[in-house]
Amino acid sequence: SQELEQSPQSLIVQEGKNLTINCTSSKTLYGLYWYKQKYGEGLIFLMMLQKGGEEKSHEKITAKLDEKKQQSSLHITASQPSHAGIYLCGADMAGTASKLTFGTGTRLQVTL
Amino acid sequence: DTEVTQTPKHLVMGMTNKKSLKCEQHMGHRAMYWYKQKAKKPPELMFVYSYEKLSINESVPSRFSPECPNSSLLNLHLHALQPEDSALYLCASKGQTNNEQFFGPGTRLTVL
Repeated sequence: SQELEQSPQSLIVQEGKNLTINCTSSKTLYGLYWYKQKYGEGLIFLMMLQKGGEEKSHEKITAKLDEKKQQSSLHITASQPSHAGIYLCGADMAGTASKLTFGTGTRLQVTL
Repeated sequence: DTEVTQTPKHLVMGMTNKKSLKCEQHMGHRAMYWYKQKAKKPPELMFVYSYEKLSINESVPSRFSPECPNSSLLNLHLHALQPEDSALYLCASKGQTNNEQFFGPGTRLTVL
């Protein structure tokens, strides 16, 4: 089974709607990273969370790490077509910050 | 300069060919990574270099040979690859004070 599960696997939302993507780990997360990827391209760093209960926001995207540090959520407010892509959570599960394990990914489509 | 560059963007090679992928960064990062990403899958770590020394090899077959000639450059030498090695190969780098990994745009490799 996957160490880092994301849900949902895919999401289609109408422009202007809010959405949430979840990332759940079977182990304690020493660091949780959110990335966005356009098909066939590199990963764009969005946010990094390290402390339990931490929450960060950038423009219309907010990410949280729960107190137990085993689950993170990414929330997009008033979605736009530019938000479309694949969202990946990456986790440092060893506490070394040397190795990232990636989640299964969430494919987001935003319709007009 | 805050980016990671990769060349070539696309590569098609036969199973008997020898080719190399190149990755470059000028952010002063001392950790560099190679990831392999198959279609609709998350990136999988292949190698990590720390201060120009190989620190992690995720049991990658010897037909993939990494090289870090200096702190700014990372190569991946390819020889006798199989069609199942076709994938997007991503390079990343990480600084000493911040744990976020910066990714390049990737090289799409097709093995015929």
